[in-house]
Amino acid sequence: AQSVSQHNHHVILSEAASLELGCNYSYGGTVNLFWYVQYPGQHLQLLLKYFSGDPLVKGIKGFEAEFIKSKFSFNLRKPSVQWSDTAEYFCAVNPGSSNTGKLIFGQGTTLQVKP
Amino acid sequence: GAVVSQHPSWVICKSGTSVKIECRSLDFQATTMFWYRQFPKQSLMLMATSNEGSKATYEQGVEKDKFLINHASLTLSTLTVTSAHPEDSSFYICSARDIFEVEEKLFFGSGTQLSVL
Repeated sequence: AQSVSQHNHHVILSEAASLELGCNYSYGGTVNLFWYVQYPGQHLQLLLKYFSGDPLVKGIKGFEAEFIKSKFSFNLRKPSVQWSDTAEYFCAVNPGSSNTGKLIFGQGTTLQVKP
Repeated sequence: GAVVSQHPSWVICKSGTSVKIECRSLDFQATTMFWYRQFPKQSLMLMATSNEGSKATYEQGVEKDKFLINHASLTLSTLTVTSAHPEDSSFYICSARDIFEVEEKLFFGSGTQLSVL
């Protein structure tokens, strides 16, 4: 079955530390990849997405992610986190080349940034 | 930006009763909406795809008679949990796709926490 795995369930960092959240998926075909963020008390919001082209994708708020096809990975990075980055982060995959909107989510990673 | 309004935010009900959750796209039209469920410490799981004017498509293992979905207009989809039981207690989230967006762009509701006593 298709699945998305996020390796880190709970990450605690100090401000200015670098962040990398792992995401691996199991699907052999074409995929669209997403990272969503949910700040406390707010909706899920799109952080960045990859459909095709440059595998290094830049998103909002200084986040970026790199698609490595050979590793089935789409890790999220930020060079220097801020306290306001404290949130839940979800990796999601839309398998197939058609945009159906059906997403398979990872289990989420809670990021806590200490001031 | 586009907003999806989901309501209620939380609901507590007695076992055996039915609960309706609404999902509205506020400033865009959505021919397709999606319903997800999230158990504590687990990922969002797609339950069904709601299509305006036609029957919903349910994911494997989701009981269509228990989770009734109606998508009567381009801005509203409802999920009714019928004869709710404690095991239906969960966090339900809807998402909607803007039909005029060329690329995949989903907007999520804020979710509904259902607690069945």
